[in-house]
Amino acid sequence: GNSVTQMEGPVTLSEEAFLTINCTYTATGYPSLFWYVQYPGEGLQLLLKATKADDKGSNKGFEATYRKETTSFHLEKGSVQVSDSAVYFCALSASNQAGTALIFGKGTTLSVSS
Amino acid sequence: GAVVSQHPSRVICKSGTSVKIECRSLDFQATTMFWYRQFPKKSLMLMATSNEGSKATYEQGVEKDKFLINHASLTLSTLTVTSAHPEDSSFYICSARPGTGPPGANVLTFGAGSRLTVL
Repeated sequence: GNSVTQMEGPVTLSEEAFLTINCTYTATGYPSLFWYVQYPGEGLQLLLKATKADDKGSNKGFEATYRKETTSFHLEKGSVQVSDSAVYFCALSASNQAGTALIFGKGTTLSVSS
Repeated sequence: GAVVSQHPSRVICKSGTSVKIECRSLDFQATTMFWYRQFPKKSLMLMATSNEGSKATYEQGVEKDKFLINHASLTLSTLTVTSAHPEDSSFYICSARPGTGPPGANVLTFGAGSRLTVL
């Protein structure tokens, strides 16, 4: 079956540090890959996505590249800010059909201090 | 963009009572909606897929008689937690996508969630 594995947190960084959150997946076919972010007290928000191999999703300084050969979609940011403190979820969708749900990783909590 | 609204955002109820949570797609029609449950410090578990005009499809291990799902229209799905117990306390999140389209164009949109506390 389809599944997502992401690094366990929490991840604690100082402001302006480099961030990597690892995510690997198992899926049949060619899934779409996503990173969602959940800020304290808020709902899930799409951060970035990639729909095919070698695609790079980017948003708000975050990037992730769809690597089919390593089945990975690691999230990176060159310089984190305190406002980036949140829980980050890696997810996959087997297709973009309306009836297809997202499968989530367990989430990684990021805490950035000034 | 696509917006999904949930109500109520927080609800506290007594053990043994039933609670209904509404999920609405505000600016698009959704033939399918998804209900997730988020446990403290854990990921989102897909509970069921709600289909307009037909029965919901439940994931393995989810009690369909406890978590009643009704998708009454193309913009509304409801989750009713029946005879709630403290272990049902959780964060329930619904989601929907506008429909098919170019690959990756239709992204699943999430409601803000409903926190249920059963005393």
